[in-house]
Amino acid sequence: DTGVSQDPRHKITKRGQNVTFRCDPISEHNRLYWYRQTLGQGPEFLTYFQNEAQLEKSRLLSDRFSAERPKGSFSTLEIQRTEQGDSAMYLCASSWGQGFYTGELFFGEGSRLTVL
Amino acid sequence: EDKVVQSPLSLVVHEGDTVTLNCSYEVTNFRSLLWYKQEKKAPTFLFMLTSSGIEKKSGRLSSILDKKELFSILNITATQTGDSAVYLCAVGNAGGTSYGKLTFGQGTILTVHP
Repeated sequence: DTGVSQDPRHKITKRGQNVTFRCDPISEHNRLYWYRQTLGQGPEFLTYFQNEAQLEKSRLLSDRFSAERPKGSFSTLEIQRTEQGDSAMYLCASSWGQGFYTGELFFGEGSRLTVL
Repeated sequence: EDKVVQSPLSLVVHEGDTVTLNCSYEVTNFRSLLWYKQEKKAPTFLFMLTSSGIEKKSGRLSSILDKKELFSILNITATQTGDSAVYLCAVGNAGGTSYGKLTFGQGTILTVHP
């Protein structure tokens, strides 16, 4: 299957611990996105990359969050010193785009984080 | 800041009914409007609309965009229990470095009873 894959699918951690999520996009896609979704809400934009460049980061994203896409392929999202409010589903998506054109986003199954 | 508002927030119907889901938006540099279906996991793509007045259709689902009034509707005819899901509307921004970004609404929860 050549869809977007995320790992781990579920993560339970204690407050204050660091967690890291990995996303492998569809191989021919140059754009990669991270979203966060809480119950009853739509996905909330966190950040996105074109190839290895991080082009935009949400103002809502605190300094505890960092994302990388070192070789323009897979990406990692790290949350340091987790808080209970970080509990959510973290969705990764990818698309192909050139200039102002972006095709539809294809989403992964998500990584569900529970902070105790 | 870009904003997407969907209505109703939830809807309960019986099989065979027709439903209309609404999406209104405010975006600084409109690029596109997308509809997704989410069934307990990843959102799956339904439609992308960029031009006013042109209906996109796929089976029992159809959607249209009005760029003057800044809204879109998603119609589902002859609903089935398998249509039960959260339907998400999102808008794409063509400005600055935001051209890749989608802003989502809160979704409409559709429940179809047999």
